Amino acid sequence: AQKITQTQPGMFVQEKEAVTLDCTYDTSDPSYGLFWYKQPSSGEMIFLIYQGSYDQQNATEGRYSLNFQKARKSANLVISASQLGDSAMYFCAMRAINTGTASKLTFGTGTRLQVTL
Amino acid sequence: DTGVSQDPRHKITKRGQNVTFRCDPISEHNRLYWYRQTLGQGPEFLTYFQNEAQLEKSRLLSDRFSAERPKGSFSTLEIQRTEQGDSAMYLCASSPPGWDQPQHFGDGTRLSIL
Repeated sequence: AQKITQTQPGMFVQEKEAVTLDCTYDTSDPSYGLFWYKQPSSGEMIFLIYQGSYDQQNATEGRYSLNFQKARKSANLVISASQLGDSAMYFCAMRAINTGTASKLTFGTGTRLQVTL
Repeated sequence: DTGVSQDPRHKITKRGQNVTFRCDPISEHNRLYWYRQTLGQGPEFLTYFQNEAQLEKSRLLSDRFSAERPKGSFSTLEIQRTEQGDSAMYLCASSPPGWDQPQHFGDGTRLSIL
């Protein structure tokens, strides 16, 4: 079974500062993918960034980057130059490839990020 | 390119009634997923379709729940004899083939059981 742990229920960051949202995962499958989603108060889950278990480099997408430490089983999301519009819930999720449940995403409990002036 | 569309956005019903939700995926996506999200939690997987075939169902999907995707396009999720514990946000997602492809979510249907 897969498990995602997000230990930060809430985080505050000042506008224009960088923030790191923590995510650790557990799986026995050597092949897996890690995803981050943003969920504003409107409810829609918005895909942000993806990291594959065999990717040699950390993923980056604009202001989002993923600090992937495979040995520690962590996949932290870094948001640079925070904006007020970044205030939302952020979910880390994983998909294991070689198990019988290769289709589904397993989500963590999320981190609520509040960007302040 | 339209996103995933879900209808209705909100549903309020009395306990014991049946409800049906609809999901229209992104047109070129052959994979469709249903999730349930309760307050303060991440989404939990319910079921998965590849084209019209339902390939995976969670233990969460009791016999009161049924999902269909008859022509491999839109999907419906029906809950029979609703219970208080069914109150949640029901999210639909779709993706193209490939395990590294992200799932794209709709806005969800919020179900409230009176």
